[in-house]
Amino acid sequence: DAGVTQSPTHLIKTRGQQVTLRCSPKSGHDTVSWYQQALGQGPQFIFQYYEEEERQRGNFPDRFSGHQFPNYSSELNVNALLLGDSALYLCASSYGTSGNQETQYFGPGTRLLVL
Amino acid sequence: GESVGLHLPTLSVQEGDNSIINCAYSNSASDYFIWYKQESGKGPQFIIDIRSNMDKRQGQRVTVLLNKTVKHLSLQIAATQPGDSAVYFCAEGRNTGFQKLVFGTGTRLLVSP
Repeated sequence: DAGVTQSPTHLIKTRGQQVTLRCSPKSGHDTVSWYQQALGQGPQFIFQYYEEEERQRGNFPDRFSGHQFPNYSSELNVNALLLGDSALYLCASSYGTSGNQETQYFGPGTRLLVL
Repeated sequence: GESVGLHLPTLSVQEGDNSIINCAYSNSASDYFIWYKQESGKGPQFIIDIRSNMDKRQGQRVTVLLNKTVKHLSLQIAATQPGDSAVYFCAEGRNTGFQKLVFGTGTRLLVSP
């Protein structure tokens, strides 16, 4: 049973560029949440996708956008990159159809460095 | 506002000792709590969770205690092993509806042989 997978593992970009990160959820999961983790900090919630729609969003600017596909996989897009966007980007999947809080399982993350 | 904090940034223990990692939360509406372990270069790994209708839950070598009166959460690790060395995060959320989790900054557990 494959867990949550993310690609790429590492990425280097320059300021102003755009980046797309990808996530495949754990088998049987239909909900994907994205988190940003700065060095030495806890993960910060970006947004969550369920049934191909964004259903909750954290305090992140519109430069951060996402998408969920019919197979439940998801993308995180960040436009006009800033130095401060350098972080570990984590994807977590869970089962959302029950309507209850279900365990979120995290992938290994994508380490983004903006120069 | 929302905040989840930890009392100690670093906890050092000897192998075989029991470890206790504490966490305070401020959102009284939170009714779901979860502990994650994060090793260097990896994503957070689920350890154990607890809902607000419980005050204690046990797993393999781990126990989570919830005190809703003082908004306090703790993770107890029995017979701590070197492989337990990692950063531990508590997170809070709501039991129903959207599944946003609010994380604290973490506690680093160092286990000496």
